[in-house]
Amino acid sequence: EPEVTQTPSHQVTQMGQEVILRCVPISNHLYFYWYRQILGQKVEFLVSFYNNEISEKSEIFDDQFSVERPDGSNFTLKIRSTKLEDSAMYFCASTKQGGVNNEQFFGPGTRLTVL
Amino acid sequence: GESVGLHLPTLSVQEGDNSIINCAYSNSASDYFIWYKQESGKGPQFIIDIRSNMDKRQGQRVTVLLNKTVKHLSLQIAATQPGDSAVYFCAEIPILTGGGNKLTFGTGTQLKVEL
Repeated sequence: EPEVTQTPSHQVTQMGQEVILRCVPISNHLYFYWYRQILGQKVEFLVSFYNNEISEKSEIFDDQFSVERPDGSNFTLKIRSTKLEDSAMYFCASTKQGGVNNEQFFGPGTRLTVL
Repeated sequence: GESVGLHLPTLSVQEGDNSIINCAYSNSASDYFIWYKQESGKGPQFIIDIRSNMDKRQGQRVTVLLNKTVKHLSLQIAATQPGDSAVYFCAEIPILTGGGNKLTFGTGTQLKVEL
């Protein structure tokens, strides 16, 4: 069964460093998402992406964040200068079509630890 | 403001019993609701969804009930099994999503199945 994959599974970085989290969405999916989950808290939307541009972003997704689909398979989230509060699980998701009733498939997540 | 929240943070049930997990939402513009299951170390996994024009939907061993009058959503799991132990999140997508179809998640309920 096709699935969303994410690498690395765990990323440790120093405060102020740049990190890139990578995702490979399901191959025929067109809509892509990043969410994050701070330990013990709920999953929060960061950004949605379609047709090589951002569809919607949350207040969390400030100028330190960017997304890119550099090729036909990868979808990346970059944090330019990490802060301690960026420590969280980051989940990538994808869906085949737009519309509210299309299931978003989530990857296993990348645990980001900022020291 | 808009929020989706859960009544109970932890629910313990005996194997074979039925489980009921509740969720309250405050955004009356919500059109679509989903229940996700998150096992330890994994991303959210879709369980069942329901549109706002329905009040009940059944799947395999799961039933979702929607009460729009009191803005309440519940997930019923029949004959709960050890493999059902996980955190369960309700999520919603409002009608006016801005095109991104972002999911707004609730806080989560930990379901523990006791043998």
